Amino acid sequence: AQSVTQPDIHITVSEGASLELRCNYSYGATPYLFWYVQSPGQGLQLLLKYFSGDTLVQGIKGFEAEFKRSQSSFNLRKPSVHWSDAAEYFCAVARGSSNTGKLIFGQGTTLQVKP
Amino acid sequence: NAGVTQTPKFQVLKTGQSMTLQCAQDMNHNSMYWYRQDPGMGLRLIYYSASEGTTDKGEVPNGYNVSRLNKREFSLRLESAAPSQTSVYFCASSRTGRDQPQHFGDGTRLSIL
Repeated sequence: AQSVTQPDIHITVSEGASLELRCNYSYGATPYLFWYVQSPGQGLQLLLKYFSGDTLVQGIKGFEAEFKRSQSSFNLRKPSVHWSDAAEYFCAVARGSSNTGKLIFGQGTTLQVKP
Repeated sequence: NAGVTQTPKFQVLKTGQSMTLQCAQDMNHNSMYWYRQDPGMGLRLIYYSASEGTTDKGEVPNGYNVSRLNKREFSLRLESAAPSQTSVYFCASSRTGRDQPQHFGDGTRLSIL
């Protein structure tokens, strides 16, 4: 069965430090992968997505993610974190092979940024 | 720039009461979704609508019903609320296709006493 795992429930980094959030997926074929961010009291906003082509994808707010098929991973990175990046981050994979657009979400990683 | 609008934003119910959560989108999207978000569990799909007039169950449909009233509106109904349905509910919409990102409302925070 398809699944998405975000191994880190909570991460704390200092402002200006680099960030990597981990995401592992389980899916036999080429996955359609997404990263979303949720600020407190808000809905989810798309950061970036991957379907095919270049395995390093750029997103909004200075985020990037790298798809590694051999490791079944799609980790999110940012070179220098800003205090406004404090939020919850969700990795998701499109469900199945149909064209429905339904997603399976990971459990989420809460990012805290220290001044 | 309304996007996806959910009402109400907060609600407290007593066990056994019924309620309908409203969702409307102005992006002309075919697909709409209802999720619930619980701590440590990410978002779980309750119901899905691929187009006007069609609905389908998601991962956790028990205790809920939906109506796709028209292309813009997709409502979620709790017929007899239970404490286990205390959650944050999100509506989302998207164009058709696995590669299409979903656009989310700001959520409805529902407490069942």
